[in-house]
Amino acid sequence: DAGVIQSPRHEVTEMGQEVTLRCKPISGHNSLFWYRQTMMRGLELLIYFNNNVPIDDSGMPEDRFSAKMPNASFSTLKIQPSEPRDSAVYFCASSPARGTQYFGPGTRLTVL
Amino acid sequence: DQQVKQNSPSLSVQEGRISILNCDYTNSMFDYFLWYKKYPAEGPTFLISISSIKDKNEDGRFTVFLNKSAKHLSLHIVPSQPGDSAVYFCAAILGSSNTGKLIFGQGTTLQVKP
Repeated sequence: DAGVIQSPRHEVTEMGQEVTLRCKPISGHNSLFWYRQTMMRGLELLIYFNNNVPIDDSGMPEDRFSAKMPNASFSTLKIQPSEPRDSAVYFCASSPARGTQYFGPGTRLTVL
Repeated sequence: DQQVKQNSPSLSVQEGRISILNCDYTNSMFDYFLWYKKYPAEGPTFLISISSIKDKNEDGRFTVFLNKSAKHLSLHIVPSQPGDSAVYFCAAILGSSNTGKLIFGQGTTLQVKP
């Protein structure tokens, strides 16, 4: 059974450009989470969905960040415009209703 | 406000010895706790969990202890192996959460020396 799939694995872009990160959760999981990991702040939750509906986006840093989940098998995290301080590793995770979260391999984003 | 705290950023132990990783929490409404392990360039992977109705859960070399009165949990690895070298995160779930939102600690980097 495939785990959580994230793409791209690495993204290098210039300041001001739009960045889109993608996630395919594990089939049958109905909760999806987006995290960001930095040296300064550790692993922080950005937003999570339950049954494709955003439940809590209080961790989204600012309006430049947006996330969607158009169906149960796909989610995107978009940053527009990107800034150097957005450089981090972004993880997607999925879980059954209240079960263990399974993480994807992450996307390493570098904004120059 | 950091609700889940791992006060030791790093720990170094000798192969074969016991590794003890600690975690403190402030919210008494947490009812489920998990430990995750993370290798470089990989996502965190689930290691072991414990419900608040228990005080101990064991899985092979890994044991998690929960002290609710002290709001403290610990992960014991016995014996430690070089392959256990990784970052360990503890996490907690609020009892009122039906979506499994995890609150993570900052992580502890464990180094097991051969």
